[in-house]
Amino acid sequence: DAGITQSPRYKITETGRQVTLMCHQTWSHSYMFWYRQDLGHGLRLIYYSAAADITDKGEVPDGYVVSRSKTENFPLTLESATRSQTSVYFCASSESGTMSQPQHFGDGTRLSIL
Amino acid sequence: QQPVQSPQAVILREGEDAVINCSSSKALYSVHWYRQKHGEAPVFLMILLKGGEQKGHEKISASFNEKKQQSSLYLTASQLSYSGTYFCGPNAYSGAGSYQLTFGKGTKLSVIP
Repeated sequence: DAGITQSPRYKITETGRQVTLMCHQTWSHSYMFWYRQDLGHGLRLIYYSAAADITDKGEVPDGYVVSRSKTENFPLTLESATRSQTSVYFCASSESGTMSQPQHFGDGTRLSIL
Repeated sequence: QQPVQSPQAVILREGEDAVINCSSSKALYSVHWYRQKHGEAPVFLMILLKGGEQKGHEKISASFNEKKQQSSLYLTASQLSYSGTYFCGPNAYSGAGSYQLTFGKGTKLSVIP
């Protein structure tokens, strides 16, 4: 089915481990985004990508790495997970720049770091 | 810098109206509105572009005043299905030809029978 999918839906890991969250979209949207959602903070942008091989930092990029070798995939990696990175992570895509196009969100990944 | 949404939370009875406000400190080019139900992903409601236009979605409408850097979401004759957290996403120029959404912290709306 067309859309945007995230995997895994739930993940528990330990501090210091590397973990990768996957995001795949079938619309061929140019823009993709990673957000984290925490109580009291709303949605905060981690990284975004305007096209394959083009990525840029958002509001809270520290501790995260992204890549975009293909238009449809935008994985997010926590190289050495910390407890403060426990959160719900949402991936989103948009047809073009965000000025006039909506963002479509995946179902999210609930990440717990022990 | 996150935009400021008010109120933070509101409880309505079915059929009542509500207004959610969103203020930004940056010059804006558009404003997005999304609704998120508990445990689900945010869902797009509408985008307002420069020009002060109002848009509508069911009985939900919004306005955008770019001079005041503010937007308001109007919920008329609320229904139980309107319950959720509403986020505004003012869209400002972030340099190098790109625009960036910065979401507010959200307004939790609860509609009760």
